[in-house]
Amino acid sequence: DIVMTQSPDSLAVSLGERATINCKSSQTVLYSSNNMNYLAWYQQKPGQPPKLLIYLASTRAPGVPDRFSGSGSGTDFTLTISSLQAEDVALYYCQQFYYTPLTFGGGTKVEIK
Amino acid sequence: QVQLQESGPGLVKPSETLSLTCTVSGDSVSSDTHYWTWIRQPPGKGLEWIGSLSYSEGANYNPSLKSRATISLARSESQFSLQLNSLTAADTAFYYCARVLISGNGGRGWFDPWGQGTLVTVSS
Repeated sequence: DIVMTQSPDSLAVSLGERATINCKSSQTVLYSSNNMNYLAWYQQKPGQPPKLLIYLASTRAPGVPDRFSGSGSGTDFTLTISSLQAEDVALYYCQQFYYTPLTFGGGTKVEIK
Repeated sequence: QVQLQESGPGLVKPSETLSLTCTVSGDSVSSDTHYWTWIRQPPGKGLEWIGSLSYSEGANYNPSLKSRATISLARSESQFSLQLNSLTAADTAFYYCARVLISGNGGRGWFDPWGQGTLVTVSS
């Protein structure tokens, strides 16, 4: 199985500041035939299901604010919230879809400092 | 707008079989465009993919469940189901259904949208 490791486990950021979450896969998720990274990011607020933010490592899902961005390639990926808002307090998960079983990172909790 | 809703028992006894149904509106589970999936999350813990189903290609599963899971289409074009047998307390979790947006064969893709989830507790 591809193991997805997120860091940090939690972070506290001041309103309006940048939040950066890292995700590392145990094997590459870059599909060489189309040069696409098979990685997604989700946001989960308390009591709610996860919500898709980013797919193919850097494509924002419809309706997702542009303060959310994804970057990286191969085995190392980053989700950045450029200017943290109060409504961004949540857990964030990465997910690989390069191989089955499809696997998720352990999650990163984002809080307000 | 596509919406999904899980339904089923909230409490199941150990060793019994869990049966959950996902009702889809705004899309058809019989189309060849998407896969449909089940994912679970023990309270306070992370996410685990259970398996995914396509009308034309059948289902594939997470080997970690040791063949205890079965995902199938229900009678209606708007429903699919999950059966999980030989339950233990470790199967206590929120169970989510979701649509898979495909980027590779075998149902490899990302999940959008998700249902609200249903909490299943395994206890005698």
